[in-house]
Amino acid sequence: DTGVSQDPRHKITKRGQNVTFRCDPISEHNRLYWYRQTLGQGPEFLTYFQNEAQLEKSRLLSDRFSAERPKGSFSTLEIQRTEQGDSAMYLCASMSGAGDEQFFGPGTRLTVL
Amino acid sequence: GENVEQHPSTLSVQEGDSAVIKCTYSDSASNYFPWYKQELGKRPQLIIDIRSNVGEKKDQRIAVTLNKTAKHFSLHITETQPEDSAVYFCAARDTGGFKTIFGAGTRLFVKA
Repeated sequence: DTGVSQDPRHKITKRGQNVTFRCDPISEHNRLYWYRQTLGQGPEFLTYFQNEAQLEKSRLLSDRFSAERPKGSFSTLEIQRTEQGDSAMYLCASMSGAGDEQFFGPGTRLTVL
Repeated sequence: GENVEQHPSTLSVQEGDSAVIKCTYSDSASNYFPWYKQELGKRPQLIIDIRSNVGEKKDQRIAVTLNKTAKHFSLHITETQPEDSAVYFCAARDTGGFKTIFGAGTRLFVKA
């Protein structure tokens, strides 16, 4: 499968624990996005990378959230001290520098107990 | 801040009828407007998009119209089929090309 992949697909954690998600974009895509989607809502923009540079971060993203893309390929999203309100689907998407279409991964569903 | 409003939140049509979903956006710098279809438990998938220098685009049974002055854009699905049942999201992207704002979605039911 040459599409966007995410790992893990599901994560259940207890409140206060740290979690880390990984996204592998389509190999030639230099743009990478993270979104959060809760039930009944559209994807909510979290952050954006162009190559390894994080160019935009949503004001909604608290200091507990951090994302990296160290070599301009895969990206990680870490949530520290998780809260029940963090429960959501975390979607990653990638896009080439020349195109318009964002290709979404299958998402990581996080449940915080 | 930027906002995209989408209506209706739920739409039920009879197979063969047309469905129309409408969106408005607030950021006048937006110049790219994609529409995504998301089936239950699956990732959003692009079905059609339009750039701000175009007023209308059609792809088989799906069409999108854009009124940049009014900041409105709409999705039209003709001859609906049961497999069109899904959640549809509109979105708007700014000139910089990175921040995409999504609407809240429209759940479309096509009754056979």
